[in-house]
Amino acid sequence: DTEVTQTPKHLVMGMTNKKSLKCEQHMGHRAMYWYKQKAKKPPELMFVYSYEKLSINESVPSRFSPECPNSSLLNLHLHALQPEDSALYLCASSPRAGSSYNSPLHFGNGTRLTVT
Amino acid sequence: AQTVTQSQPEMSVQEAETVTLSCTYDTSESDYYLFWYKQPPSRQMILVIRQEAYKQQNATENRFSVNFQKAAKSFSLKISDSQLGDAAMYFCAYRSARETSGSRLTFGEGTQLTVNP
Repeated sequence: DTEVTQTPKHLVMGMTNKKSLKCEQHMGHRAMYWYKQKAKKPPELMFVYSYEKLSINESVPSRFSPECPNSSLLNLHLHALQPEDSALYLCASSPRAGSSYNSPLHFGNGTRLTVT
Repeated sequence: AQTVTQSQPEMSVQEAETVTLSCTYDTSESDYYLFWYKQPPSRQMILVIRQEAYKQQNATENRFSVNFQKAAKSFSLKISDSQLGDAAMYFCAYRSARETSGSRLTFGEGTQLTVNP
């Protein structure tokens, strides 16, 4: 069982659609992350939220818009995506961002996104 | 910038046997953390084991152990008494101990492990 819950598990959307991915954790973690993973490749960091504030944006295109409404929730809003954006999107959390508190990331099961 | 290299795209092992997955990394830092994650078909990235660079003793977690060679920048994972449930993609990962860059995990390309019954 995962302590980081992602919904939906699968999503198919057209290039003109607007959709959102959701991530939830109740471990009291104050850092949350979005990763993108292509097939048979390692995850690539997209965004990091620390104490509900965006701390890292890895030059992600604006068609991906993250949101952290509170310390337990993380959303990724999608708009005007391209077929090459099809991937597994993983959410993760940790007690804190940075490394002054050494704790590994806890990952969710991901959302498999297909853009048609 | 740090890099992590896993030179074995695929490995296989017989059930109950031992297998070692290789990982090397490149960094100019002296303080950092290393991790092995597994990703089964369920897609969740699961932490297998972690090592702090300032600790000389190799980490162990039940059937999983590492051989950490700091001077050689090597961090291999040994799985003993392999089980069918160990079949997964295994990623080696590096994280800086510097606060400003410690949010980033640098992953290797992964090793797909097959366990044969």
